[in-house]
Formats: sequence, structure tokens, C-alpha cells
Amino acid sequence: QKEVEQDPGPLSVPEGAIVSLNCTYSNSAFQYFMWYRQYSRKGPELLMYTYSSGNKEDGRFTAQVDKSSKYISLFIRDSQPSDSATYLCAMSVRSGGGADGLTFGKGTHLIIQP
Amino acid sequence: DGGITQSPKYLFRKEGQNVTLSCEQNLNHDAMYWYRQDPGQGLRLIYYSQIVNDFQKGDIAEGYSVSREKKESFPLTVTSAQKNPTAFYLCASSSQTSGGNIQYFGAGTRLSVL
Repeated sequence: QKEVEQDPGPLSVPEGAIVSLNCTYSNSAFQYFMWYRQYSRKGPELLMYTYSSGNKEDGRFTAQVDKSSKYISLFIRDSQPSDSATYLCAMSVRSGGGADGLTFGKGTHLIIQP
Repeated sequence: DGGITQSPKYLFRKEGQNVTLSCEQNLNHDAMYWYRQDPGQGLRLIYYSQIVNDFQKGDIAEGYSVSREKKESFPLTVTSAQKNPTAFYLCASSSQTSGGNIQYFGAGTRLSVL
């Protein structure tokens, strides 16, 4: 079983729809959870960061962590064509750097149809 | 502008040639990383460095080498021993004091074989 599972998509939705992106993980020691957005041929940019369980909202984006189910989600409200990108989840056990610093999902390719 | 600068954006390698990818950061981060990204593979860690003059192998270090002579710089050399170098290479950095090892990425270098 891979440590972080993420459906690669593509996920295609009409403009204005609510988008739900998800990752499951197997390591119960993960405490820090991140979502990155990567446009084609660009580097990933940090979108959301949460610690432990709960929800965090930033504008149209909501990150949700359910540690009991080992499941994290990113919701995008009022989706726009500019949201079309690959979304990578990432998680870590502890603070600081190192080889075990971040474990990434493979990314979900999202397409918002105008 | 604070951030991570990767150069060049595109690079071509001839058979048997070593090539070096540049990564510079002005975020005053201690830790720096090199990843390789292939379609459908996600991000794979090549090398990382937590302090100057020290670096460690990641999951796919064979055929690559790095140096860390300055805090700001972490160049990656793709050697002739790397038989399949065509990929998108990403450099990242993180603060040792940040919660959860949040990593910030450069724009990437796309390497192709002639």
C-alpha cells in the first residue's frame, strides 16, 4: 500500500461547481497537511496548510483533515477556469527538514470547463 | 523578490555529457531539496541538504550529484551515469523552524536528451 493515495484524474467539472479533491494516507503519525497547486510546466505553489484535524478556510478554498479516517480534502467553491491545474497533497510527521520531510501524493489533474 | 530561482528553464543534454542545474534561494532557508517529476510518477526526492557542506541521498540519487557550499545555492549535476535524464526537475527549500516542513518550490528546469 502506498503511503499517500491520490486519484490522478482528470477531474472535469463545469465552471461554478464545487470541487472536492481528496487524499488518503496510511501513516497515522502524519500531523501536518498541505495542498499545493501546480500549473502546467510550473513549480508547485503552496495553497493550504493545516495542522492536525479540522477545517481551514481561505477564500474559495477549504481544507479538511479527518485523522481518524486518514483522509484529507480540499474543496474549491465557485470554481473558475483559472483553477485548472494539478493539485498535490503533501503531509509530514514533524517539523524541520530531512528526507522524511514531506510525503507527496501524485496529484489530481483538475479541469474547469468554461 | 524573495523566492527560489532555477536556471535554465530548458536544458538539453548530449550523450555522455554532464549538465548542471542551478538553484538559488534568498529566503534564508536552511534546508534545500531536489526533486524529479515524471508524468504519472509524482515528485521523487533526489538529494536534500539541511545545512551547508552537508547533503544526503534521497530515493533516486543514482546518476546525480550535488554540492552545498553556500546556504543560498544547491546545484544539481546530472551525470552521464543517469541513463534516463529526461524529466522536469524541481528545487525546493524549507525553514528548519517551520511547522510541518513547508517547502517552497522554484519554477523548474525541463531537461531533455538530444
